Amino acid sequence: DQQVKQNSPSLSVQEGRISILNCDYTNSMFDYFLWYKKYPAEGPTFLISISSIKDKNEDGRFTVFLNKSAKHLSLHIVPSQPGDSAVYFCAASAEGGTSYGKLTFGQGTILTVHP
Amino acid sequence: NAGVMQNPRHLVRRRGQEARLRCSPMKGHSHVYWYRQLPEEGLKFMVYLQKENIIDESGMPKERFSAEFPKEGPSILRIQQVVRGDSAAYFCASSPLPGHGRNEQFFGPGTRLTVL
Repeated sequence: DQQVKQNSPSLSVQEGRISILNCDYTNSMFDYFLWYKKYPAEGPTFLISISSIKDKNEDGRFTVFLNKSAKHLSLHIVPSQPGDSAVYFCAASAEGGTSYGKLTFGQGTILTVHP
Repeated sequence: NAGVMQNPRHLVRRRGQEARLRCSPMKGHSHVYWYRQLPEEGLKFMVYLQKENIIDESGMPKERFSAEFPKEGPSILRIQQVVRGDSAAYFCASSPLPGHGRNEQFFGPGTRLTVL
């Protein structure tokens, strides 16, 4: 079963506009969420994370929002730049239980930012 | 370069051969994770190790796959008698102690295994 879902396979945005990438999860034990960016033939690069005790975390152009009741999180990139074009993965982990330590990833969303 | 190191970057094996993938974690990290990415899919957890201990191997196939993280040296993911379905990108990640409200993992560049 897919416990972390990214329902949009791709997203196309104009340079300078906002990019919004969405992620849903089903496991209520998840308490820490992360976004990674991945270029072809490279490993994922950590972008930003959020603990379940918060509903927002901001780092420069990147902001992650968490809605625990809806089991939904989103990554906002403002302003979007062509260099942001990559695959973005949402991931989740749980401090306790059988998921301790490991990350569960979504399928990824391909973001293309047009000049 | 203090990042996670993986080698080889590319590995070609014929069916039935063995594949050994190596991972050196970031300096100061004692927790190592292996993930596999099949074509057109996301990353799937395989195994979580500390030095000389396997903490969670719930994502490892029951046969042919093994992993270790010895007291000295890199972590090794070993695949015996490879089959075409093992062709994938294998990523290693490392972290400091997870928990306490944090679990950032830092990934290496991956090893791309091709089985002919």
